Amino acid sequence: QQQVKQSPQSLIVQKGGISIINCAYENTAFDYFPWYQQFPGKGPALLIAIRPDVSEKKEGRFTISFNKSAKQFSLHIMDSQPGDSATYFCAAIGRGSARQLTFGSGTQLTVLP
Amino acid sequence: EPEVTQTPSHQVTQMGQEVILRCVPISNHLYFYWYRQILGQKVEFLVSFYNNEISEKSEIFDDQFSVERPDGSNFTLKIRSTKLEDSAMYFCASSRTEQETQYFGPGTRLLVL
Repeated sequence: QQQVKQSPQSLIVQKGGISIINCAYENTAFDYFPWYQQFPGKGPALLIAIRPDVSEKKEGRFTISFNKSAKQFSLHIMDSQPGDSATYFCAAIGRGSARQLTFGSGTQLTVLP
Repeated sequence: EPEVTQTPSHQVTQMGQEVILRCVPISNHLYFYWYRQILGQKVEFLVSFYNNEISEKSEIFDDQFSVERPDGSNFTLKIRSTKLEDSAMYFCASSRTEQETQYFGPGTRLLVL
């Protein structure tokens, strides 16, 4: 019940295309859903995050869509660029103490020039 | 922009040896975390720390692991007797409050031989 399932495992997109990464969860106690971007040899960096009272959040080329009833959320990267090539992790945090992040398995995105 | 720092960036040790991984969280943050990422796998929560005590720990964080905040700036993770399977990237993270975003350091790559 603590898992966050992420797909696809890898994604190849042409420059200018739309990259879409999907995540699903079971635990209804999750109340904060961040996306992290990780470059090789670096730590995860927060990209964008959403709370379940909002169905969509957009920051620049990055948009999170959230479907509370389906317990699914997705990251859309518009006008994908080669510099977006990285591993993307969805994550979730639940109500309660300490608020540990539960990460998805990651998606390796490659944007071709 | 303030950031979490970690030392060393790489650590090679022999099985059975003790290692201490060091982190300097962002200065006004009060919540501290350790995560690990085995090569090619997702990021996993180890432990959270607040007000000089452990708030929550995962099943990975067994008796071989300990955390400490020895002074006002450092946050350390000690592995008493390393095992081969402890080889991973270890990330420190911090947040100002329980509700706010966790910021990750660049990680320490630990290799146990």
